[in-house]
Amino acid sequence: NAGVTQTPKFQVLKTGQSMTLQCAQDMNHNSMYWYRQDPGMGLRLIYYSASEGTTDKGEVPNGYNVSRLNKREFSLRLESAAPSQTSVYFCASSEWVNEQYFGPGTRLTVT
Amino acid sequence: RKEVEQDPGPFNVPEGATVAFNCTYSNSASQSFFWYRQDCRKEPKLLMSVYSSGNEDGRFTAQLNRASQYISLLIRDSKLSDSATYLCVVTFDRGSTLGRLYFGRGTQLTVWP
Repeated sequence: NAGVTQTPKFQVLKTGQSMTLQCAQDMNHNSMYWYRQDPGMGLRLIYYSASEGTTDKGEVPNGYNVSRLNKREFSLRLESAAPSQTSVYFCASSEWVNEQYFGPGTRLTVT
Repeated sequence: RKEVEQDPGPFNVPEGATVAFNCTYSNSASQSFFWYRQDCRKEPKLLMSVYSSGNEDGRFTAQLNRASQYISLLIRDSKLSDSATYLCVVTFDRGSTLGRLYFGRGTQLTVWP
């Protein structure tokens, strides 16, 4: 049982490049989330999806787009990367509000 | 103003010590409360939920004071393996499949031998 998986684990981009972060869960959860974590800022919600076909903005959505491809997969896209998007990105899923399961994270550096 | 405020520490304690972390939240409509644990360069994981009457899980005790909008976590008999960052988390959702969680910045704990 893999839980929540994310790819890639590490990525270095140049300013202006685009990329998609992939996330998949095998727990049959309805809800999925994308967070970023920066030193001194804690975890901040970028986008979330209550169910397949629906997505909503979180606290810091600017510069990102998401796709809930199916129940298992929720991707995060950076169309034109900026140095301010250097961060650790976590995907999470949940069935009930009491526990979110996180993936191992993607460490992204934008130069 | 951030929804959840925590003392970032770091807290450095010897093995066997008792240590307490505090957390305040700004929105009185908050419904559910949790402590998550995050090891260095790892993902957060749920440590325990926090109930109104207070609750224990082994060496860990969580307390909630709704009137003061205050949550605490007490760790007794600290172990080296308790070294981690502890995240205070609140949500406005209860009994829902969609839980938007609001995370504090975390309190760093180091337990030394």
